[in-house]
Amino acid sequence: EADIYQTPRYLVIGTGKKITLECSQTMGHDKMYWYQQDPGMELHLIHYSYGVNSTEKGDLSSESTVSRIRTEHFPLTLESARPSHTSQYLCASSDPGQGASYNEQFFGPGTRLTVL
Amino acid sequence: AQKITQTQPGMFVQEKEAVTLDCTYDTSDQSYGLFWYKQPSSGEMIFLIYQGSYDEQNATEGRYSLNFQKARKSANLVISASQLGDSAMYFCAMNTGRRALTFGSGTRLQVQP
Repeated sequence: EADIYQTPRYLVIGTGKKITLECSQTMGHDKMYWYQQDPGMELHLIHYSYGVNSTEKGDLSSESTVSRIRTEHFPLTLESARPSHTSQYLCASSDPGQGASYNEQFFGPGTRLTVL
Repeated sequence: AQKITQTQPGMFVQEKEAVTLDCTYDTSDQSYGLFWYKQPSSGEMIFLIYQGSYDEQNATEGRYSLNFQKARKSANLVISASQLGDSAMYFCAMNTGRRALTFGSGTRLQVQP
């Protein structure tokens, strides 16, 4: 059973607000990821981290930023939310010890963000 | 570059019948892994099955099996004895150990009673 948590599950917010989406995992995984997904569409990688103080941008350009100060915590921040940021944001983690090609990712329940 | 193609946007299947969801992939790497995830309407991603590129036998997990044809670069998911609870989006994904998983566009499966 994977232990990865995201809060809030749902967020409706006005344009221009600063928001932080929380993601935590209790599995001690070094690798963590943020994906953005529009309803019924594919997942796009927006950020990933190989460990503490390591963050990289993903394939899809995003105005969000991330930090990784602790292994278990990987928050995503939007400094000024816009309607174009409306989407689902999924956090995931994986254990690189299982081999490079395995990399099963454990996903959190997601945050559905609506920016009015 | 890695690419996953799922050509079936939607599929219907009768309850208790088997269904095959198609997935083809493209990579120049020799070592890679292929995954299938299920995403119900609630939004979470549920891991179903994994196939490594060097695995000689097709992976099976309960009612799920992966029909791996390496020469054709296909990794189709077979669900046997479909149940109403199988109705969901299904995503094929690939990992080559570089960064994160590359996902396909998904197939929406609807199981009819």
